[in-house]
Amino acid sequence: AQKVTQAQTEISVVEKEDVTLDCVYETRDTTYYLFWYKQPPSGELVFLIRRNSFDEQNEISGRYSWNFQKSTSSFNFTITASQVVDSAVYFCALSEAPGGSYIPTFGRGTSLIVHP
Amino acid sequence: DVKVTQSSRYLVKRTGEKVFLECVQDMDHENMFWYRQDPGLGLRLIYFSYDVKMKEKGDIPEGYSVSREKKERFSLILESASTNQTSMYLCASSLLGAQETQYFGPGTRLLVL
Repeated sequence: AQKVTQAQTEISVVEKEDVTLDCVYETRDTTYYLFWYKQPPSGELVFLIRRNSFDEQNEISGRYSWNFQKSTSSFNFTITASQVVDSAVYFCALSEAPGGSYIPTFGRGTSLIVHP
Repeated sequence: DVKVTQSSRYLVKRTGEKVFLECVQDMDHENMFWYRQDPGLGLRLIYFSYDVKMKEKGDIPEGYSVSREKKERFSLILESASTNQTSMYLCASSLLGAQETQYFGPGTRLLVL
């Protein structure tokens, strides 16, 4: 069965600090997909990134970067020089490809608070 | 842009009332989902549907039912609302396939008194 663990319930930082949100997953499938979503105070989850299990390249998008390591079953998310607008709940999710459950499993989320 | 809309942002109901939460998507997605979000528990899947008139139970279907009569619309029904159903309800849609991104609605905050 697939499982996603976000051990950090809440993280509080001061603006301009770097912060890393951890995501550890479990799956028996060799083909799977990992996602990160952001939920700002308005409530609507917004897609940030998707990674498939065959692509371990790290990804950078502006101040956001993602580190996918199959050896440790982790897909961590780093925000560089955090800003108040980054304050949100961030969810990591996993779905498995054919043969497994394609319905995503979400972690419990990490609430990030960025203080000015 | 994909748009997922939910009928209400905030709803207050009394115990025992029948409650309908409506979700509409405009991108011809096959999959639609209803989640419940509670502090410390993350997103929990209530029901999902991969086609019209098709539905599958999620992790916490008890006390809920769903209806999908048209592809774009997925309704969540609380037959007899209870206080422990006070929560944030999120609807999502996606194309079929494990690699597909989910698109979420703004959520409905339901308070059952």
